[in-house]
Amino acid sequence: EDQVTQSPEALRLQEGESSSLNCSYTVSGLRGLFWYRQDPGKGPEFLFTLYSAGEEKEKERLKATLTKKESFLHITAPKPEDSATYLCAVRAGGYQKVTFGTGTKLQVIP
Amino acid sequence: DVKVTQSSRYLVKRTGEKVFLECVQDMDHENMFWYRQDPGLGLRLIYFSYDVKMKEKGDIPEGYSVSREKKERFSLILESASTNQTSMYLCASSRDRVNEQFFGPGTRLTVL
Repeated sequence: EDQVTQSPEALRLQEGESSSLNCSYTVSGLRGLFWYRQDPGKGPEFLFTLYSAGEEKEKERLKATLTKKESFLHITAPKPEDSATYLCAVRAGGYQKVTFGTGTKLQVIP
Repeated sequence: DVKVTQSSRYLVKRTGEKVFLECVQDMDHENMFWYRQDPGLGLRLIYFSYDVKMKEKGDIPEGYSVSREKKERFSLILESASTNQTSMYLCASSRDRVNEQFFGPGTRLTVL
């Protein structure tokens, strides 16, 4: 069974304090790893897709990386508006199903 | 930009009522999904559809059914609502089997 574990569950940062969120996965035949941002009471917003180990994607202050066992979402010099829950998800094999982690709730304090 | 809309943001129903949640996407996507999201449990897949009139069960289909009569519209039906179906319901769509899913704003359903 595919498993996705995100850590930490919650993270509190000062504005400008860089850090990383972790997504560890156990799947048979990774077909894609996805990062989403979710604000309270709203649907997840797509950020990145990574397909193979060594791949990196960047968007503003966010950078996602992928190894064979985990992915990191690096946040550089975060701002209060980066506060949200960040979700990781994986698609494996030829199946349609995507397995989601339970997320990391990030709070950035001014 | 892909737009996925859901019929209601908030809904309050009584136990035993039949409930319809509707989802519409405007990007001609093949695949559509229904999830529920509960604290500590993450997103769990209820049903998905990869074509008009086609449907597949997800992880937690019990107590739910779906309908996809048109490509852009995917409906979730609670035949007889129960209090344990109180949750945030999220609809998503994707272009194909490989690419990312795009989510709607969600419907917060409360069953009393």
